Amino acid sequence: DADVTQTPRNRITKTGKRIMLECSQTKGHDRMYWYRQDPGLGLQLIYYSFDVKDINKGEISDGYSVSRQAQAKFSLSLESAIPNQTALYFCATSAPGQDTDTQYFGPGTRLTVL
Amino acid sequence: ELKVEQNPLFLSMQEGKNYTIYCNYSTTSDRLYWYRQDPGKSLESLFVLLSNGAVKQEGRLMASLDTKARLSTLHITAAVHDLSATYFCAVDPNTGNQFYFGTGTSLTVIP
Repeated sequence: DADVTQTPRNRITKTGKRIMLECSQTKGHDRMYWYRQDPGLGLQLIYYSFDVKDINKGEISDGYSVSRQAQAKFSLSLESAIPNQTALYFCATSAPGQDTDTQYFGPGTRLTVL
Repeated sequence: ELKVEQNPLFLSMQEGKNYTIYCNYSTTSDRLYWYRQDPGKSLESLFVLLSNGAVKQEGRLMASLDTKARLSTLHITAAVHDLSATYFCAVDPNTGNQFYFGTGTSLTVIP
């Protein structure tokens, strides 16, 4: 089984709809992240969480919100989706001092906003 | 504003040839990471470089870090088709595991 899972894997929605992307991990890592990937722009950090009570904005948090329901679960919400939020979204986890400090990525959610 | 720049952005090379991908960053950091992404797939960790002068090798790929020059290189030796992918570098500017990614280098190895 995958260590970092994301649901849904693909989603098509309409402008103005609320949508939630979910991420779960079995790695036991405290730190979780949400990234957005657009062609030619690499990955941009949306939000990150270092533990259940710690939520921080990343580079591009406007239009997004998050919830850390448990150590293993981190959700990303688009309150009112707009077309320029069409992108590939990745969740990642890490544990500094363990696993060589790298980040482990989920399979991604492809979101299309019409 | 922190910048992480990779070059080239696109690379087409013949099998058996050598080439180097460069990753420059604009802030102090002694932590640099390389990832590989296959089309439609997630990112896979390749190398973790955690100090000046660090060098890591895996198969036909070798990564190095020069923190004074704020430069990391990913060297490809005798390329094979299976290395075709997009390669990203990421910098953690000592702020606690927040990564800033380069724009990626799309590598195509031609038979």
